Amino acid sequence: GNSVTQMEGPVTLSEEAFLTINCTYTATGYPSLFWYVQYPGEGLQLLLKATKADDKGSNKGFEATYRKETTSFHLEKGSVQVSDSAVYFCAQAGAGSYQLTFGKGTKLSVIP
Amino acid sequence: DTEVTQTPKHLVMGMTNKKSLKCEQHMGHRAMYWYKQKAKKPPELMFVYSYEKLSINESVPSRFSPECPNSSLLNLHLHALQPEDSALYLCASSQTGNTEAFFGQGTRLTVV
Repeated sequence: GNSVTQMEGPVTLSEEAFLTINCTYTATGYPSLFWYVQYPGEGLQLLLKATKADDKGSNKGFEATYRKETTSFHLEKGSVQVSDSAVYFCAQAGAGSYQLTFGKGTKLSVIP
Repeated sequence: DTEVTQTPKHLVMGMTNKKSLKCEQHMGHRAMYWYKQKAKKPPELMFVYSYEKLSINESVPSRFSPECPNSSLLNLHLHALQPEDSALYLCASSQTGNTEAFFGQGTRLTVV
């Protein structure tokens, strides 16, 4: 079946550090891939998406590239801020599927 | 407008109570979802409505009863819940399958 594996953390970084959160997936066919962010006490917000191989999703300084060869969709940001502290979920949706498969989430804490 | 609105934000109910959670979206999305999220876990899919018809029920106990009165509204009726049902309940919507889902802020439910 479809699955998503992401580094679980927690990850603690200093402000302005470089961030990478690894995400790999298994799927039949070519799913759409997403990163969601959840701030404390809130729902999930879509951070970025990619729908086909080699697509790069980007938003608010975050980027992720859909790599079919390595079945990966790693999240990166060049310089994190305290306000980026949150839980990040990698997710996939199979072609025509209504089911989002989530990774377990990675808690990021950014300290001043 | 990419907003999904959920009410109430917080709910405390006894095990003999009946209550309802409400969700509304005005993005013209034809798929709507209920998810349950326990602390430090990813969301778990409960129900999917596609074109106002229930298309997925992830073996959810009958004490949870979904309803989709129209294409913009989704309800979750609760009856005779157990303390272990305490969680964050998230509503989401999407245009179709395989497209990004937009989440509400959630209802924090506590069963006493």
